[in-house]
Amino acid sequence: DTEVTQTPKHLVMGMTNKKSLKCEQHMGHRAMYWYKQKAKKPPELMFVYSYEKLSINESVPSRFSPECPNSSLLNLHLHALQPEDSALYLCASSPRLAGGVYNEQFFGPGTRLTVL
Amino acid sequence: AQSVTQPDIHITVSEGASLELRCNYSYGATPYLFWYVQSPGQGLQLLLKYFSGDTLVQGIKGFEAEFKRSQSSFNLRKPSVHWSDAAEYFCAVGVYSGGSNYKLTFGKGTLLTVNP
Repeated sequence: DTEVTQTPKHLVMGMTNKKSLKCEQHMGHRAMYWYKQKAKKPPELMFVYSYEKLSINESVPSRFSPECPNSSLLNLHLHALQPEDSALYLCASSPRLAGGVYNEQFFGPGTRLTVL
Repeated sequence: AQSVTQPDIHITVSEGASLELRCNYSYGATPYLFWYVQSPGQGLQLLLKYFSGDTLVQGIKGFEAEFKRSQSSFNLRKPSVHWSDAAEYFCAVGVYSGGSNYKLTFGKGTLLTVNP
C-alpha cells in the first residue's frame, strides 16, 4: 500500500457540531502531518506527529484537536468551528531515512470541509 | 527563517510549448527542495526532489528541475507541455526546526493554464 487515505472526502458541519477527520497510511512512515489549505493558497502546516508524539503545533486554535492512536492513523477532531475554518484539510506522511532524516511528504487527497 | 518565492502567479502556455516555472528559496544550509503539483480539489503529488548530488533532477510526467546554488533557484522545466499538465504547481523547501522537527515551507504556487 503506497498511499495516504483520508475520510470523509467531504464534510459539512454546523458550528456546534463535533466531527472527526481520519487519515491512514500503511507505508511505515513515522511522521504524519495535518495541513489546512484555503482556495488558491499553499498548504499551511497545522500539526506534526513524530513517532506518535505531537512534535509541532503551529499555534492552531484549540477547536482543532489532533490525535495519533497508532503509527498508521491520524485523526483531527473538530469542535465549535467557525465558517472561516472551511477549507481543504490535507494529511501527509513522511518516511524516516537512514541517518534519521525525513524528506519528502506523501499527501492524501484531502477532506473538503464546509462549516455553516 | 526559510522562505520560498514563486514569482509567477499564473502562466499560460500553448500545448506542445516548453515550460519553465521559477522558484527561489532562502535558507542558510543546503535545502531539501521539492516540486509538487495539485489538480483542482485534489491532494498534492510529488513531481521531483533534490537533496544532494547531481543538480539536474528528473521527475515524473517528463518534468525536470535544476538546482542552482549561486542563484538560490530550483526551476521546473518541461520540454513539451500537455493539456493534462494544467494545474497548480508548488515549490517547497524542507527544513529542520529544532531537534528532529521537520516541515515543508511552500511557495504561493503558480497556476498553469494550457491552451489547445
